[in-house]
Amino acid sequence: DTAVSQTPKYLVTQMGNDKSIKCEQNLGHDTMYWYKQDSKKFLKIMFSYNNKELIINETVPNRFSPKSPDKAHLNLHINSLELGDSAVYFCASSLKNPATDTQYFGPGTRLTVL
Amino acid sequence: GQNIDQPTEMTATEGAIVQINCTYQTSGFNGLFWYQQHAGEAPTFLSYNVLDGLEEKGRFSSFLSRSKGYSYLLLKELQMKDSASYLCAALTTDSWGKFQFGAGTQVVVTP
Repeated sequence: DTAVSQTPKYLVTQMGNDKSIKCEQNLGHDTMYWYKQDSKKFLKIMFSYNNKELIINETVPNRFSPKSPDKAHLNLHINSLELGDSAVYFCASSLKNPATDTQYFGPGTRLTVL
Repeated sequence: GQNIDQPTEMTATEGAIVQINCTYQTSGFNGLFWYQQHAGEAPTFLSYNVLDGLEEKGRFSSFLSRSKGYSYLLLKELQMKDSASYLCAALTTDSWGKFQFGAGTQVVVTP
């Protein structure tokens, strides 16, 4: 059974398009996260949600909008995609927040903007 | 500012020991995590230290010195499958437990 799943795994799209990435966890965790890992392999937090409530919102362009319909799902919608958005996006979850509990990562979504 | 530093790459032979150092400077501190990430895969949890000292878990051990802002991950009896990137991450106390990740240390295990 997959603990944290993301779809799609690969996403190739044109500049200016709008796209969404979905994330689901079946671990019963309260907290979910979105991270961006760029070509230099830095993993940077973008957002975190605790029980559907936004907790962390880093300095991310407002073209990125997370949505949490319930605590098992955290989707990421990106408007007007730019070349610099190309990266691997990881969803993660942990039992509680503050996240002193282990974070479990999804398999990642490799986004390529042409 | 906040900073996590670790070496970019280390190479070692099968059966050897490798120590990956990590230094951190964060505005708050609530523990130090180590994650393993194989190429093209998600990071997976290895260890968590919040108190000073050594935590041993099988072939992997992690050490923390809070006063020095320093941690290391020790990999013993290296196996080929240990070839991966090892990410050091500090859990800061501001903004509800935000993780600050280092860029990762690529460990290459040779026969």
